Amino acid sequence: DADVTQTPRNRITKTGKRIMLECSQTKGHDRMYWYRQDPGLGLRLIYYSFDVKDINKGEISDGYSVSRQAQAKFSLSLESAIPNQTALYFCATSKGPTGSNEKLFFGSGTQLSVL
Amino acid sequence: GIQVEQSPPDLILQEGANSTLRCNFSDSVNNLQWFHQNPWGQLINLFYIPSGTKQNGRLSATTVATERYSLLYISSSQTTDSGVYFCAALTTSGTYKYIFGTGTRLKVLA
Repeated sequence: DADVTQTPRNRITKTGKRIMLECSQTKGHDRMYWYRQDPGLGLRLIYYSFDVKDINKGEISDGYSVSRQAQAKFSLSLESAIPNQTALYFCATSKGPTGSNEKLFFGSGTQLSVL
Repeated sequence: GIQVEQSPPDLILQEGANSTLRCNFSDSVNNLQWFHQNPWGQLINLFYIPSGTKQNGRLSATTVATERYSLLYISSSQTTDSGVYFCAALTTSGTYKYIFGTGTRLKVLA
């Protein structure tokens, strides 16, 4: 089984709908992240969390919210989806601060299409 | 904020050829990683390399932090090396975050 699991793998939704993407991990890592990838671009950080009580905005947090339900679970919500939120979404984890503990490990991604 | 630039943006190789991918960053970084995104979209960790040189099979990477660049070497390329290669630099100035380059898209022809 994958260490970082994202559900669903693919989702098609309509403008204005609320949608939640879920991420769970079995790596025992404290830090979790949500990234977005658009065609031809690198990954951009939406939100990150260093532990259950910690939530931080990334560079493109507008229109998104997150919930860290447990150490192993981090969900991303689009309250009212719009077409320019169509993208490939990745969840990632890292163990903690300093050195190689900062290595990122990614889930398989969720392809979201907003019509 | 820090800028991360990768070159070349696209690369086509014949199987068996060697290549060098470059990642430049505009400011001091705490660490740097290289990733391979395969044709199915999965992101695979290749190297965690804040400085120095590492090798893993046909791939190796070198980061010269003082000169703000990192290189990824692919030797004897195979069709399975195709995909997009990203470097990501961690900055702790301002918001703690990894900044990703826009990637090098590699296609290896049989």
